[in-house]
Amino acid sequence: EAGVAQSPRYKIIEKRQSVAFWCNPISGHATLYWYQQILGQGPKLLIQFQNNGVVDDSQLPKDRFSAERLKGVDSTLKIQPAKLEDSAVYLCASSLERATYNEQFFGPGTRLTVL
Amino acid sequence: EDKVVQSPLSLVVHEGDTVTLNCSYEVTNFRSLLWYKQEKKAPTFLFMLTSSGIEKKSGRLSSILDKKELFSILNITATQTGDSAVYLCAVNSGGYQKVTFGTGTKLQVIP
Repeated sequence: EAGVAQSPRYKIIEKRQSVAFWCNPISGHATLYWYQQILGQGPKLLIQFQNNGVVDDSQLPKDRFSAERLKGVDSTLKIQPAKLEDSAVYLCASSLERATYNEQFFGPGTRLTVL
Repeated sequence: EDKVVQSPLSLVVHEGDTVTLNCSYEVTNFRSLLWYKQEKKAPTFLFMLTSSGIEKKSGRLSSILDKKELFSILNITATQTGDSAVYLCAVNSGGYQKVTFGTGTKLQVIP
C-alpha cells in the first residue's frame, strides 16, 4: 500500500514570496489533515478535510494561508505572502473516513525555510 | 480549547535505563489517545489507546491509559540508542475526529 505522498520535500523562499505544497493521501482515505510543525514543537493542525469539505480550519491563518481539496483526493496548501515565522515542516496526514479510532498516516513532510 | 500536555519536555538517559513519559489531556468528547515516535521526519505510529487500564505492549514499549484521571504513560524498558527520538502524544476527540498533539518529549539515550 502506497503511503501519503508530499512534494516538494524542501523549499527555500524569501519573505513575501508565495509557495504551494501538494499532498496525495492514501487511496480510500477520506480525511486529510495539514499540520504545521515548528522546530521543537508538536504538530499544529491547520486544516482538516472530510472528502472535499472543510471540517476544521480554526487555526489556519486565513489572511495568508489557503488550502483546497477539489476532488476529495489530493490537496494543496498555499502561503501568500510568506513570513519568516512560517518556517516549519508542513505535514500532511490522512485517515479512513469512518475510523472510530483515528489512526493517522503521515507523509514525509515539506521543510519550508523563509529567509 | 482542547489541550494535551506532555512531560518531561526532554530526558537524557543511559542505555539500559527504563523511562516513563507522561501525557495528560483535557478534551471534549474523548475518542482515543495515540502515541507517535518522531525521528527527524514524519511521526510514526506506536499505539492507540481507547480503554482505561488495558496495557498495550510492543517489544520494549508499553502504554496505558487512565480515562478517569485523564492521562497516559509510555514506558520504554532497556533503552537503546535507537530509541532516541521525540515522542508525541495526541488525542482524538469530537465528532469530526479532531486530533490535538502535545509538544512532545525529546528522549536522548546515550551509550
